[in-house]
Formats: sequence, C-alpha cells, structure tokens
Amino acid sequence: EVQLVESGGGLVQPGGSLRLSCAASGFTFSSYALNWVRQAPGKGLEWVSSIRGSDGSTSYADSVKGRFTISRDNPKNTLYLQMNSLRAEDTAVYYCAKVLRTNWWGTMDAWGKGTTVTVSS
Amino acid sequence: DIQMTQSPSSVSASVGDRVTITCRASQDISSWLAWYQQKPGKAPKLLIYAASSLQGGVPSRFSGSESGTDFTLTINSLQPEDFATYYCQQAHIFPLTFGGGTKVEIK
Repeated sequence: EVQLVESGGGLVQPGGSLRLSCAASGFTFSSYALNWVRQAPGKGLEWVSSIRGSDGSTSYADSVKGRFTISRDNPKNTLYLQMNSLRAEDTAVYYCAKVLRTNWWGTMDAWGKGTTVTVSS
Repeated sequence: DIQMTQSPSSVSASVGDRVTITCRASQDISSWLAWYQQKPGKAPKLLIYAASSLQGGVPSRFSGSESGTDFTLTINSLQPEDFATYYCQQAHIFPLTFGGGTKVEIK
C-alpha cells in the first residue's frame, strides 16, 4: 500500500523558514515524480512544485519560485520542500502527492494527509 | 499558464440524481485532464485521469468525457458519499493548474 506522510509544518513568522518532509513507502520511490500541492484555508488546490524521478529536474509555481526548493533523497524515500522568505499568503495545508505512472509528472494518484503551515506574527 | 475554468461552482442535488460538472481549458491539453474528489479535512482523491479513464477502485457511476478543450465529469445516480468538492486539473504542461472547484451539496 502506498503511503505518504508529511511533517514539518507549524507556525512561523513572516520572513521565516520551514522545511517540510514527506516520507514515502509502498512503491519504488526513485521511479516516480512527486509534487507538492497546497490549499489555503477555505480555498482551492494550488500546485506548488514538482520533481521528476528520472533526472531530478524540478518545476515551480511562479508564486514560490526563488523562495522554495524541492528536493528528494531516494535512499531515504523522502521528499522535501525548503520554504524560505515565508509570507502570510503561504499559509495553507501542504500535501505531497505521487504521480500515477513512472513516465508521467502531473496526474496524482496518491496523496498524503497534509501538514499545516501558518505564517503569522 | 493554462487556465482551467470549472462550472458550476456549486450544485444542489438529491440522492439518485445525475450531476454534470464541466471544465474548460484555455488551450489544448491533449486529454491530460484529471478529476479529483475532496471531502472536508481530507486529501484529494483521483477519480478520472486522461480525461476519461476511471481510476482503480472508483465506482463506475463516475465518468469523464472530452470535446476539444471542454471536459465533463458525470456522476450517475448520486450517492450519499458523493457529496464533496470536485476539482479538474490539467497535467499537460507546467505550471499544473486546477479548476476552482465544484461543491456538490445535498438538496
């Protein structure tokens, strides 16, 4: 069974940093692209970042480009999101999600339960 | 960026009804369209991928179709567990983009 478990969320002041982690199991981690998707309170889903499994190439939403960094540790089966220069508008539940097929990058078939990030003074 | 325009934003329906949700892409996405269901406090769940392929374990009352850049999610014979919010998402190019969501409520 595929499992994705996020951690690392919390309350942080504007301008601060957090690192989210997503521990994965139940599939060949290195073979799949992974995504971070967030949801602000009462709002819809917003894609944040992707990292491919094959070559580790990355993509970012414009809203986080230059502030967030996605990475993966394949031997540890763990996905990360380093978030710097946090703003109030980054407040959201952050989900990690696995893609459906090994050569795909955007269709997400397994999601974690999410971790909450609150940016406030 | 590809804009995904989803409608309606909410719909009231009764158990047994047929519900149709539409999503329009601002440009060609070559069938790279997914539908997700989300219940309050829960993560999204993949229902349909590649516009019309049913994800494993999803009831057959859910179906997807496409016509050009217009995509449709149909729920036949709505069940109590189907009351939720539904999102479309294009998986064609980055940035990945979602529709605004459709909340299916009990009439």
